Amino acid sequence: QQQVKQSPQSLIVQKGGISIINCAYENTAFDYFPWYQQFPGKGPALLIAIRPDVSEKKEGRFTISFNKSAKQFSLHIMDSQPGDSATYFCAASDSNSGYALNFGKGTSLLVTP
Amino acid sequence: ETGVTQSPTHLIKTRGQQVTLRCSSQSGHNTVSWYQQALGQGPQFIFQYYREEENGRGNFPPRFSGLQFPNYSSELNVNALELDDSALYLCASSLGVGSGVGETQYFGPGTRLLVL
Repeated sequence: QQQVKQSPQSLIVQKGGISIINCAYENTAFDYFPWYQQFPGKGPALLIAIRPDVSEKKEGRFTISFNKSAKQFSLHIMDSQPGDSATYFCAASDSNSGYALNFGKGTSLLVTP
Repeated sequence: ETGVTQSPTHLIKTRGQQVTLRCSSQSGHNTVSWYQQALGQGPQFIFQYYREEENGRGNFPPRFSGLQFPNYSSELNVNALELDDSALYLCASSLGVGSGVGETQYFGPGTRLLVL
Protein backbone atom coordinates (compact mmCIF):
# COMPACT_ATOMS: atom_id res chain seq x y z
CA GLN A 1 0.00 0.00 0.00
CA GLN A 2 1.55 3.24 -1.19
CA GLN A 3 1.36 5.69 1.70
CA VAL A 4 2.68 8.61 -0.33
CA LYS A 5 1.43 9.28 -3.84
CA GLN A 6 3.63 11.35 -6.15
CA SER A 7 2.94 13.01 -9.49
CA PRO A 8 3.82 13.45 -12.25
CA GLN A 9 5.88 10.36 -13.08
CA SER A 10 8.02 12.39 -15.47
CA LEU A 11 8.47 16.06 -16.24
CA ILE A 12 10.21 18.02 -18.98
CA VAL A 13 10.97 21.68 -18.29
CA GLN A 14 12.92 24.25 -20.26
CA LYS A 15 15.97 25.87 -18.71
CA GLY A 16 14.89 28.78 -16.55
CA GLY A 17 11.39 27.39 -16.04
CA ILE A 18 9.65 26.25 -12.87
CA SER A 19 9.46 22.53 -12.06
CA ILE A 20 6.57 21.46 -9.83
CA ILE A 21 6.19 18.02 -8.26
CA ASN A 22 3.23 17.09 -6.10
CA CYS A 23 2.72 14.57 -3.31
CA ALA A 24 -0.24 13.47 -1.21
CA TYR A 25 -0.45 11.37 1.94
CA GLU A 26 -3.14 9.78 4.12
CA ASN A 27 -1.48 9.08 7.46
CA THR A 28 -2.06 12.10 9.71
CA ALA A 29 0.66 10.85 12.07
CA PHE A 30 3.31 11.86 9.55
CA ASP A 31 5.24 14.84 10.89
CA TYR A 32 8.31 15.10 8.69
CA PHE A 33 8.31 15.54 4.93
CA PRO A 34 11.66 15.48 3.09
CA TRP A 35 12.47 15.65 -0.58
CA TYR A 36 15.36 13.67 -1.99
CA GLN A 37 17.25 14.04 -5.28
CA GLN A 38 18.80 10.98 -6.89
CA PHE A 39 21.17 10.81 -9.83
CA PRO A 40 21.68 7.54 -11.76
CA GLY A 41 23.88 5.11 -9.87
CA LYS A 42 23.85 7.23 -6.70
CA GLY A 43 22.03 7.15 -3.40
CA PRO A 44 19.29 9.70 -2.65
CA ALA A 45 20.54 13.06 -1.36
CA LEU A 46 18.44 15.18 0.99
CA LEU A 47 17.32 18.35 -0.78
CA ILE A 48 14.94 20.09 1.60
CA ALA A 49 12.47 19.07 4.31
CA ILE A 50 9.50 20.54 6.15
CA ARG A 51 7.46 19.92 9.27
CA PRO A 52 3.66 20.43 9.25
CA ASP A 53 3.76 23.48 11.53
CA VAL A 54 4.83 25.69 8.60
CA SER A 55 3.18 26.11 5.20
CA GLU A 56 6.28 26.92 3.19
CA LYS A 57 10.04 26.52 3.33
CA LYS A 58 12.52 27.94 0.89
CA GLU A 59 16.18 27.07 0.40
CA GLY A 60 17.78 28.74 -2.59
CA ARG A 61 15.89 27.74 -5.72
CA PHE A 62 13.95 25.00 -3.92
CA THR A 63 10.65 25.61 -2.12
CA ILE A 64 8.32 23.21 -0.34
CA SER A 65 4.67 24.19 -0.08
CA PHE A 66 2.68 22.29 2.54
CA ASN A 67 -1.12 22.07 2.90
CA LYS A 68 -1.93 20.20 6.10
CA SER A 69 -5.72 20.22 5.66
CA ALA A 70 -5.44 18.77 2.16
CA LYS A 71 -2.63 16.41 3.18
CA GLN A 72 -0.58 17.54 0.22
CA PHE A 73 2.86 18.99 -0.29
CA SER A 74 4.83 20.03 -3.31
CA LEU A 75 8.35 20.88 -4.46
CA HIS A 76 8.96 23.91 -6.64
CA ILE A 77 12.30 24.29 -8.41
CA MET A 78 12.72 27.84 -9.62
CA ASP A 79 14.99 28.76 -12.54
CA SER A 80 15.45 25.07 -13.38
CA GLN A 81 18.88 24.14 -14.75
CA PRO A 82 20.07 21.16 -16.83
CA GLY A 83 22.06 20.05 -13.77
CA ASP A 84 18.75 19.62 -11.93
CA SER A 85 17.89 16.72 -14.26
CA ALA A 86 17.47 13.80 -11.85
CA THR A 87 14.81 11.73 -10.12
CA TYR A 88 13.05 13.42 -7.21
CA PHE A 89 11.37 11.55 -4.39
CA CYS A 90 9.02 12.91 -1.78
CA ALA A 91 8.79 11.04 1.49
CA ALA A 92 6.96 11.16 4.81
CA SER A 93 7.74 9.80 8.25
CA ASP A 94 6.77 10.05 11.89
CA SER A 95 8.50 9.68 15.25
CA ASN A 96 6.34 6.69 16.26
CA SER A 97 8.00 4.59 13.56
CA GLY A 98 11.53 5.85 14.21
CA TYR A 99 11.17 8.16 11.23
CA ALA A 100 11.23 5.26 8.75
CA LEU A 101 10.75 6.95 5.39
CA ASN A 102 7.74 6.23 3.19
CA PHE A 103 8.72 7.26 -0.32
CA GLY A 104 6.67 8.23 -3.34
CA LYS A 105 7.42 6.46 -6.62
CA GLY A 106 9.56 9.30 -7.90
CA THR A 107 9.48 11.93 -10.64
CA SER A 108 12.03 11.89 -13.43
CA LEU A 109 12.87 15.51 -14.25
CA LEU A 110 14.56 16.53 -17.49
CA VAL A 111 15.58 20.15 -17.91
CA THR A 112 16.28 20.98 -21.54
CA PRO A 113 18.84 23.65 -22.56
CA GLU B 1 33.28 14.21 8.46
CA THR B 2 32.91 10.84 6.71
CA GLY B 3 29.61 10.13 4.98
CA VAL B 4 27.73 6.85 4.79
CA THR B 5 29.68 4.14 3.01
CA GLN B 6 28.49 0.79 1.71
CA SER B 7 30.20 -2.33 0.42
CA PRO B 8 30.36 -3.96 -1.98
CA THR B 9 29.19 -1.61 -4.74
CA HIS B 10 27.97 -4.43 -6.96
CA LEU B 11 27.20 -8.08 -6.37
CA ILE B 12 25.96 -10.98 -8.49
CA LYS B 13 24.42 -14.02 -6.81
CA THR B 14 22.34 -16.99 -7.91
CA ARG B 15 18.89 -17.89 -6.66
CA GLY B 16 18.96 -19.68 -3.29
CA GLN B 17 22.27 -18.20 -2.18
CA GLN B 18 22.83 -15.93 0.80
CA VAL B 19 24.30 -12.42 0.75
CA THR B 20 25.69 -9.97 3.31
CA LEU B 21 25.81 -6.24 2.65
CA ARG B 22 27.69 -3.79 4.84
CA CYS B 23 27.21 -0.19 5.86
CA SER B 24 29.28 2.28 7.85
CA SER B 25 27.21 5.09 9.29
CA GLN B 26 28.11 8.75 9.24
CA SER B 27 30.30 9.84 12.12
CA GLY B 28 28.25 10.38 15.28
CA HIS B 29 25.12 8.66 13.97
CA ASN B 30 23.69 5.79 16.08
CA THR B 31 20.76 4.79 13.88
CA VAL B 32 20.92 2.86 10.62
CA SER B 33 18.00 2.13 8.30
CA TRP B 34 18.02 -0.17 5.28
CA TYR B 35 15.93 0.29 2.14
CA GLN B 36 15.39 -1.73 -1.02
CA GLN B 37 15.00 0.19 -4.26
CA ALA B 38 13.75 -1.77 -7.25
CA LEU B 39 14.47 -0.35 -10.69
CA GLY B 40 12.27 2.67 -11.40
CA GLN B 41 10.71 2.66 -7.93
CA GLY B 42 11.07 4.56 -4.69
CA PRO B 43 13.04 3.01 -1.83
CA GLN B 44 11.09 0.64 0.43
CA PHE B 45 11.89 0.48 4.16
CA ILE B 46 13.29 -2.88 5.29
CA PHE B 47 14.25 -2.26 8.92
CA GLN B 48 16.01 0.10 11.28
CA TYR B 49 18.61 -0.43 14.00
CA TYR B 50 19.03 1.95 16.93
CA ARG B 51 21.84 1.33 19.41
CA GLU B 52 22.23 -2.28 18.22
CA GLU B 53 18.54 -3.19 18.56
CA GLU B 54 15.97 -3.56 15.76
CA ASN B 55 13.73 -0.51 16.02
CA GLY B 56 11.10 -1.15 13.38
CA ARG B 57 10.57 -3.32 10.34
CA GLY B 58 8.83 -2.89 7.03
CA ASN B 59 6.89 -5.48 5.05
CA PHE B 60 9.81 -7.83 4.35
CA PRO B 61 10.02 -11.57 5.16
CA PRO B 62 12.24 -12.96 7.95
CA ARG B 63 14.89 -14.06 5.44
CA PHE B 64 15.89 -10.38 5.50
CA SER B 65 17.83 -9.91 8.72
CA GLY B 66 20.30 -7.44 10.10
CA LEU B 67 22.83 -6.54 12.73
CA GLN B 68 24.24 -3.38 14.17
CA PHE B 69 27.64 -3.35 15.82
CA PRO B 70 28.94 -1.29 18.79
CA ASN B 71 30.56 1.17 16.38
CA TYR B 72 27.07 1.57 14.77
CA SER B 73 28.07 -0.01 11.48
CA SER B 74 25.50 -2.47 10.18
CA GLU B 75 24.94 -5.54 8.06
CA LEU B 76 21.98 -6.64 5.99
CA ASN B 77 21.70 -10.39 5.40
CA VAL B 78 19.39 -11.96 2.86
CA ASN B 79 18.92 -15.73 2.82
CA ALA B 80 17.45 -17.92 0.09
CA LEU B 81 17.78 -15.24 -2.56
CA GLU B 82 14.97 -14.86 -5.06
CA LEU B 83 15.03 -13.22 -8.48
CA ASP B 84 12.85 -10.37 -7.14
CA ASP B 85 15.55 -9.51 -4.61
CA SER B 86 17.51 -7.90 -7.45
CA ALA B 87 17.61 -4.23 -6.48
CA LEU B 88 19.69 -1.38 -5.13
CA TYR B 89 20.08 -1.75 -1.37
CA LEU B 90 20.47 1.54 0.42
CA CYS B 91 21.69 2.24 3.91
CA ALA B 92 20.85 5.50 5.67
CA SER B 93 22.15 6.82 8.96
CA SER B 94 20.71 9.35 11.36
CA LEU B 95 21.26 10.74 14.82
CA GLY B 96 18.35 8.78 16.27
CA VAL B 97 14.91 9.51 17.62
CA GLY B 98 15.00 11.86 20.58
CA SER B 99 18.05 13.73 19.39
CA GLY B 100 15.94 16.58 18.05
CA VAL B 101 17.15 16.06 14.50
CA GLY B 102 16.84 12.28 14.32
CA GLU B 103 14.42 12.43 11.46
CA THR B 104 17.09 13.44 8.94
CA GLN B 105 18.50 10.40 7.16
CA TYR B 106 21.62 10.47 5.04
CA PHE B 107 21.98 7.79 2.40
CA GLY B 108 24.97 5.87 1.17
CA PRO B 109 25.60 5.12 -2.51
CA GLY B 110 23.97 1.71 -2.27
CA THR B 111 24.87 -1.85 -3.24
CA ARG B 112 23.50 -3.09 -6.56
CA LEU B 113 22.48 -6.76 -6.17
CA LEU B 114 21.67 -8.92 -9.17
CA VAL B 115 20.16 -12.36 -8.56
CA LEU B 116 20.37 -14.78 -11.47
